[in-house]
Amino acid sequence: DTEVTQTPKHLVMGMTNKKSLKCEQHMGHRAMYWYKQKAKKPPELMFVYSYEKLSINESVPSRFSPECPNSSLLNLHLHALQPEDSALYLCASSQDPGQGGYGYTFGSGTRLTVV
Amino acid sequence: AQSVAQPEDQVNVAEGNPLTVKCTYSVSGNPYLFWYVQYPNRGLQFLLKYITGDNLVKGSYGFEAEFNKSQTSFHLKKPSALVSDSALYFCAVRDISFSGGYNKLIFGAGTRLAVHP
Repeated sequence: DTEVTQTPKHLVMGMTNKKSLKCEQHMGHRAMYWYKQKAKKPPELMFVYSYEKLSINESVPSRFSPECPNSSLLNLHLHALQPEDSALYLCASSQDPGQGGYGYTFGSGTRLTVV
Repeated sequence: AQSVAQPEDQVNVAEGNPLTVKCTYSVSGNPYLFWYVQYPNRGLQFLLKYITGDNLVKGSYGFEAEFNKSQTSFHLKKPSALVSDSALYFCAVRDISFSGGYNKLIFGAGTRLAVHP
């Protein structure tokens, strides 16, 4: 298995809703990442998990809450989002968080629309 | 600070012609450079990387990239473009200033490649 799987592919939620995005990989990668991508822009790093521990939070608002229940699974819990949070949310993994020679494997993303 | 620049928002190429998508970088020390491609409504797919070794790096789907240290460039190339190559291409560099040794990538703004029949 050489994929990163993200669910759901599309999500529409109201500003008072609570929802979660899910990301799964079975490649044995020990680093996992959440990125946010607006249309026609490069991905922007949100969170880094290394060996199931939150290593980096790029000053992301608290309405986004990441969780890493185990080495294969990464969640992003959403609550009280704003319309400007609408974007493509990408999950990625890499083999070793400390080795810069490894690129990322990306999932296909979740297209989130906040109404 | 580490950075990459993609000077062209869009590149237009006729099918069968060679293509080049430009990328320049600014890093302290030896760069780790990557190219990714993104098709509509999809995640990014890894094409190739340069870490060390030969300056010409071969990757997926017939793409290659040439690392040029004196010009601080890492241009993506393909000898004969296909319509199916039309997509958004991102150059990226590892942020070695990132504390803790974590593998953070910095992406360029992206270049849209349009290959016309």
